[in-house]
Amino acid sequence: DTGVSQDPRHKITKRGQNVTFRCDPISEHNRLYWYRQTLGQGPEFLTYFQNEAQLEKSRLLSDRFSAERPKGSFSTLEIQRTEQGDSAMYLCASSLARGGAGNQPQHFGDGTRLSIL
Amino acid sequence: DQQVKQNSPSLSVQEGRISILNCDYTNSMFDYFLWYKKYPAEGPTFLISISSIKDKNEDGRFTVFLNKSAKHLSLHIVPSQPGDSAVYFCAARWGTYKYIFGTGTRLKVLA
Repeated sequence: DTGVSQDPRHKITKRGQNVTFRCDPISEHNRLYWYRQTLGQGPEFLTYFQNEAQLEKSRLLSDRFSAERPKGSFSTLEIQRTEQGDSAMYLCASSLARGGAGNQPQHFGDGTRLSIL
Repeated sequence: DQQVKQNSPSLSVQEGRISILNCDYTNSMFDYFLWYKKYPAEGPTFLISISSIKDKNEDGRFTVFLNKSAKHLSLHIVPSQPGDSAVYFCAARWGTYKYIFGTGTRLKVLA
């Protein structure tokens, strides 16, 4: 059983550059989430997909951020014109939503740590 | 406004004793609560959850208690083991997919 996979694990880039992260959820999971976590804080919700549809974006997600899940499987999170404040751990999680299945927890990947120089 | 609060940033417990981690919330619309454990350089790992219609859920050494009137959630670990040393996050859900996490409690189990 493969869990949620994120790539890369670490990304160091200069301010102003664009970065893209990838998340491969657990295969049968139809829900996918992106979170951001900074030191001493819990994960903060960024955005949510049900299959390929992006159903909600947090106001934390400025217009420099974009996320896609083109075929309802893997997802990408892109940050354009990175800023110092973008330095954080970016976590992806997935879960299964299915009628009659009851509450299903989110399962997280190990995250991508972004450092902006 | 922090809707889910973990007021103890750290906790130390002797091996074999009970660990009790606490979480308070403010939003009465939360309908599902979860606990996650996080080791350094790894993502959070799901531990145990509870629906708002229950007041207790048990899984092995882990028990979660929910007191809706007090808007309080707790995780009991009995007996505590050194491998339980990690950061523990509580999370609450409202709507069908919106999860709010606390800031975490670092548990250290002393051998």
